[in-house]
Amino acid sequence: NAGVMQNPRHLVRRRGQEARLRCSPMKGHSHVYWYRQLPEEGLKFMVYLQKENIIDESGMPKERFSAEFPKEGPSILRIQQVVRGDSAAYFCASSPLMDRRHLLDTQYFGPGTRLTVL
Amino acid sequence: KNEVEQSPQNLTAQEGEFITINCSYSVGISALHWLQQHPGGGIVSLFMLSSGKKKHGRLIATINIQEKHSSLHITASHPRDSAVYICAVNGETSGSRLTFGEGTQLTVNP
Repeated sequence: NAGVMQNPRHLVRRRGQEARLRCSPMKGHSHVYWYRQLPEEGLKFMVYLQKENIIDESGMPKERFSAEFPKEGPSILRIQQVVRGDSAAYFCASSPLMDRRHLLDTQYFGPGTRLTVL
Repeated sequence: KNEVEQSPQNLTAQEGEFITINCSYSVGISALHWLQQHPGGGIVSLFMLSSGKKKHGRLIATINIQEKHSSLHITASHPRDSAVYICAVNGETSGSRLTFGEGTQLTVNP
């Protein structure tokens, strides 16, 4: 059972370009989370998605950032018109379920995509 | 003030020592997680707990809900334990969204 997969592992973009980060959750997992780790800082929540639905995007910057998790295929985190401040490691995690009675499940992390904006 | 505070920020130990990393949080939580981030950047989930104590090999995690405090212990530490250890919580009102501490950099010397 392959773990959470992210690609690319490293991405270099020039200012103004678009960055697309992909995340394939573990088999059987329908919940995907994106986190960002800025240099020398801790992890910060960005967005939580289930198949075809954004559940919580309270951590997403209001502009230039979007995320999707289509019925088929990986989850995509898209950053338009990248700026130097977007340089960071972007981690995806997946979990199999969320019990509505707050009995939460372990999140399994991918290896991350390191985005460098020149 | 961060909702999740860890101490110490940096910890250096000799091989074989018993290690404790602390995590305090200021919000009501549904669960608390301990994660390990390897030098290469990969993140592994070590524990998820909402009460009591859990043990896996040389690692032990405890939580005191009343005091809003958790500890991660490593017995018989080894250089391969060198990593950043991160505490994270699911807030009672934030569903499955995780809020993270800043991490504790552990270095175990041979």
